[in-house]
Amino acid sequence: DIQMTQSPSILSASVGDRVTITCRASQSISSWLAWYQQKPGKAPKLLIYKASSFESGVPSRFSGSGSGTQFTLTISSLQPDDFATYYCQHYDTYPWTFGQGTKVEIK
Amino acid sequence: QVQLVQSGAEVKKPGTSVKVSCKASGYTFINYYIHWVRQAPGQGLEWMGIINPSGGSTNYTQKLQGRVTMTRDTSTSTVYMELSSLRSEDTAVYYCARALAAAGCFWGQGTLVTVSS
Repeated sequence: DIQMTQSPSILSASVGDRVTITCRASQSISSWLAWYQQKPGKAPKLLIYKASSFESGVPSRFSGSGSGTQFTLTISSLQPDDFATYYCQHYDTYPWTFGQGTKVEIK
Repeated sequence: QVQLVQSGAEVKKPGTSVKVSCKASGYTFINYYIHWVRQAPGQGLEWMGIINPSGGSTNYTQKLQGRVTMTRDTSTSTVYMELSSLRSEDTAVYYCARALAAAGCFWGQGTLVTVSS
């Protein structure tokens, strides 16, 4: 199985900060990577698919980049609504797997 | 509007089985694969498997092979996930999701399954 490793596990930041989360795959997954946001007690919400494509309705402050084994999710200016946990997920081959998550908390 | 409505919370004893339903509406049922993802309390997301509502073909994670079965009923636009030989580690919120990792991704509300003696 392809392993997905996110860093950091916890990120403390302030409103207005530029935030970057990294996701590394244990082998090349081309651009078959998605990013999700999850808030407590809620289902995850898709933000980015195919490494850099926006799901409809996602604010433009979110962006994704990368290919192969190294990927990043960037929030250009952190907003109060963005404090949540973020997961990457590959969909190159079955089984699809998620990273362990990055919790973005208020500094 | 697209809806995936899951069945209610369950409490099960170890060794028994649970069957969770996911009823789709607001779109053409057979046009989108349905995935199942679970999340243990305080933990991350775990992909369980996928079913093609059109033909019924499935693919399961090896970890659950032999214990998980995904089926569908096209007459009611409903997908089912059955997990057998339950153990305490199976306590989790179970989600169905349409078009995971693709445009138009949509999740059900989640079903809490508690395994306890």
